[in-house]
Amino acid sequence: QPVLTQPPSASASLGASVTLTCTLSSGYSDHSVDWYQQRPGKGPQFVMRVGSGGIVGSKGDGIPDRFSVLGSGLNRYLTIKNIQEEDESVYHCGADHGTGTNFVVVFGGGTKLTVL
Amino acid sequence: QVQLVQSGAELRKPGASVRVSCETSGYSFISYYLVWVRQAPGQGLEWVGLIKPSGGITTYAQKFQGRVRLTRDTSTNTVYMELSSLRPEDTAIYYCARMSLMNWFDPWGQGTLVTVSS
Repeated sequence: QPVLTQPPSASASLGASVTLTCTLSSGYSDHSVDWYQQRPGKGPQFVMRVGSGGIVGSKGDGIPDRFSVLGSGLNRYLTIKNIQEEDESVYHCGADHGTGTNFVVVFGGGTKLTVL
Repeated sequence: QVQLVQSGAELRKPGASVRVSCETSGYSFISYYLVWVRQAPGQGLEWVGLIKPSGGITTYAQKFQGRVRLTRDTSTNTVYMELSSLRPEDTAIYYCARMSLMNWFDPWGQGTLVTVSS
């Protein structure tokens, strides 16, 4: 199964842009990952899925156009443009692997985004 | 709209069991898998397992096999997670979520805090 690695923290100024990275372990360059936003004190919310070719499917409900994704090699990126205060959250990436009784879901450790 | 509403916070002693419920509404209950994910204080997300409401087939993360049991009640559109032999490190917020046809989790329940302490 894949291992997902995320930097523990990131920061960006109000109105700026930031790119968050989720790195898949070796051998999983074809895998997609799902991005989730978790605001302080709240449960996670689905943002969107990203594969090697970019977004897979559609964004989650209420996710603004300022959020976009890109995939390259083992990296899956979430870019947020024109950062707003409400974007301050922990961003988790997750991926599923296998089928039937071998089905598993793994998550990265999450990146805490601070808006300056 | 699709809603997942979970039961309230629980406090248990080590060695005990806990059952958390997740009542769903706003969609066809038997058409989507439901998953459980937990988050220990200050930690990341950890997948616990999933259940297919039509038929009740379950798959559990290896870490929890033998200690967790997911069930469902199709008359009330509710799924349940029971975790036994609780230890302090099971203290976490437990979330249920609907798994989409493409396997992402959306939406999520509000979470249930389970505290294990003597």
